[in-house]
Amino acid sequence: AQSVTQLDSHVSVSEGTPVLLRCNYSSSYSPSLFWYVQHPNKRLQLLLKYTSAATLVKGINGFEAEFKKSETSFHLTKPSAHMSDAAEYFCVVSDRRNDMRFGAGTRLTVKP
Amino acid sequence: NAGVTQTPKFRILKIGQSMTLQCTQDMNHNYMYWYRQDPGMGLKLIYYSVGAGITDKGEVPNGYNVSRSTTEDFPLRLELAAPSQTSVYFCASSYSRDGRRNTEAFFGQGTRLTVV
Repeated sequence: AQSVTQLDSHVSVSEGTPVLLRCNYSSSYSPSLFWYVQHPNKRLQLLLKYTSAATLVKGINGFEAEFKKSETSFHLTKPSAHMSDAAEYFCVVSDRRNDMRFGAGTRLTVKP
Repeated sequence: NAGVTQTPKFRILKIGQSMTLQCTQDMNHNYMYWYRQDPGMGLKLIYYSVGAGITDKGEVPNGYNVSRSTTEDFPLRLELAAPSQTSVYFCASSYSRDGRRNTEAFFGQGTRLTVV
């Protein structure tokens, strides 16, 4: 079965500095990959998705991710962090059965 | 748009009691999912369904049952509640045409369940 490893449980950045949240995946098939964000007391929201089209995927709020098959990675980046980016981020993999599997999550803290 | 609606939002159960978590969606999505979220563990897939009458186990199905008699509803049943089932439960739905790749999944607001 497919799986996801988020390499950092917690990332702390200063406002205005770049964000990097790391995700490695395992899948026997060509996967679909997603990043979701969970703000406190809010519903999980899709940031972006990769479904075998362009390997560089742009999402909402300035986030983007690059699918690298050779490295089995799908890292999430943002050039400049904003205070409102503080949240829990989940990398998700889905194979041909469309059963979405979540990583353990990365909590992003943004310092003023 | 209501989207995905879960009830109840909070519940306290005693050990050995049973209950059903309700989930309904109004987007005519064929896929529906149940997850549980525990601190530091992310979301774990309990069961999912690819359409009415079809369900399949996820990563952590033990202690739970599901049914999908209609497109809209996907209830999750706990038969004999145990403290290990204390968690936050999320229902989600998505659309996939002809079994192709999933589009975006939409989530409910969650049900916080405590078993004492």
